[in-house]
Amino acid sequence: DGGITQSPKYLFRKEGQNVTLSCEQNLNHDAMYWYRQDPGQGLRLIYYSQIVNDFQKGDIAEGYSVSREKKESFPLTVTSAQKNPTAFYLCASSGTNGGEKLFFGSGTQLSVL
Amino acid sequence: GENVEQHPSTLSVQEGDSAVIKCTYSDSASNYFPWYKQELGKGPQLIIDIRSNVGEKKDQRIAVTLNKTAKHFSLHITETQPEDSAVYFCAARPDNYGQNFVFGPGTRLSVLP
Repeated sequence: DGGITQSPKYLFRKEGQNVTLSCEQNLNHDAMYWYRQDPGQGLRLIYYSQIVNDFQKGDIAEGYSVSREKKESFPLTVTSAQKNPTAFYLCASSGTNGGEKLFFGSGTQLSVL
Repeated sequence: GENVEQHPSTLSVQEGDSAVIKCTYSDSASNYFPWYKQELGKGPQLIIDIRSNVGEKKDQRIAVTLNKTAKHFSLHITETQPEDSAVYFCAARPDNYGQNFVFGPGTRLSVLP
């Protein structure tokens, strides 16, 4: 099945700890995105990457980091600098050259212990 | 930058009735407007989209209308069914924002049997 796989589904972070959320896609899409979803708010863009080895900050990048070493993988690290990390995190991908449709993974719920 | 508002935040309808969700956007350069449906614990899925050169688009029980002059677009669901219950997000893509989108805060639709 083609799609986007996020893991884990649930993640707990202790204070001062960095945690990494995994996102893998087998859609052969060039572009990948990380969004944060808080209750009652729309999706907010954290980071995006339009090509391997390149990525840009979104609207709320502070306290997060990413890498894009492979086309199919776009992991997100929530660092200890992110003081309010509890949220639902969504990874998405889209094709370039006019591929506008975003395909989302099933999300990771991150909570602070 | 672009700002997308969405109303209502919650909507309850009887099964078989119609539901309408409205979004307004601020950037007249936005040219693509998708609607996403998010079921509990899952990632959003694209249900319908419309480009700025089209006034209306229909897909079975779902339709989207766009008024560029007033800068608003609406989702119409007819003959609602219990499986339509979900959170619906609208989004706008500003012309100068690459492949990125600005999302509305979402509408929780409940279809009562």
